[in-house]
Amino acid sequence: QITLKESGPTLVKPTQTLTLTCTFSGFSLSTSGVGVGWIRQPPGKALEWLALIYWDDDKRYSPSLKSRLTITKDTSKNQVVLTMTNMDPVDTATYYCAHVRDGYNPAAFDIWGQGTMVTVSS
Amino acid sequence: QSALTQPASVSGSPGQSITISCTGTSSDVGGYNYVSWYQQHPGKAPKLMIYEVSNRPSGVSNRFSGSKSGNTASLTISGLQAEDEADYYCSSYASSSSVVFGGGTKLTVL
Repeated sequence: QITLKESGPTLVKPTQTLTLTCTFSGFSLSTSGVGVGWIRQPPGKALEWLALIYWDDDKRYSPSLKSRLTITKDTSKNQVVLTMTNMDPVDTATYYCAHVRDGYNPAAFDIWGQGTMVTVSS
Repeated sequence: QSALTQPASVSGSPGQSITISCTGTSSDVGGYNYVSWYQQHPGKAPKLMIYEVSNRPSGVSNRFSGSKSGNTASLTISGLQAEDEADYYCSSYASSSSVVFGGGTKLTVL
């Protein structure tokens, strides 16, 4: 059974860097074809794709946020970490990590974490 | 990279069928058969309902079906049930090696 869980601060100040951790079980990020992505959702708004990392350390980023995002993996800990720099109140959202169903189709996330709400405020 | 275009809301009565459209460009929806659909109930994480345009994951009701024509993908729900009331999002692989979501559609079962 695949599970994912996000963790990190619930409140960050403007200009600070956000670090979120996705801890997963039921699969290995060292297995060919496996990927984990991050998606966020501001309150009452739509989903927005942020980044994705594959088993071979291939990394993909949202073009509009690429300069602010870094995604890494720690295979031994079964974790994926997302950092986002220069946080702004508009970045207030629920942040989800999710398992990619197939390595060749990055748009299909079949298992999602419960999400973690991050508020950006001074 | 712009969000895919979905109607803000659709509605239907129990037992009826509804269709939600998802319009993109030749750089995303029209260029790849990597369109997915998600269902999201209030306060819950999204659930994958359709992948690769028309495939259903195990456990998803066959009342849900997907299709694509040109730059527009569609999700059809037949035999509407009260539990289908939720927000629905489409997503697609895009030529920038990224993923784009739609703006979401609120389905109301009357």
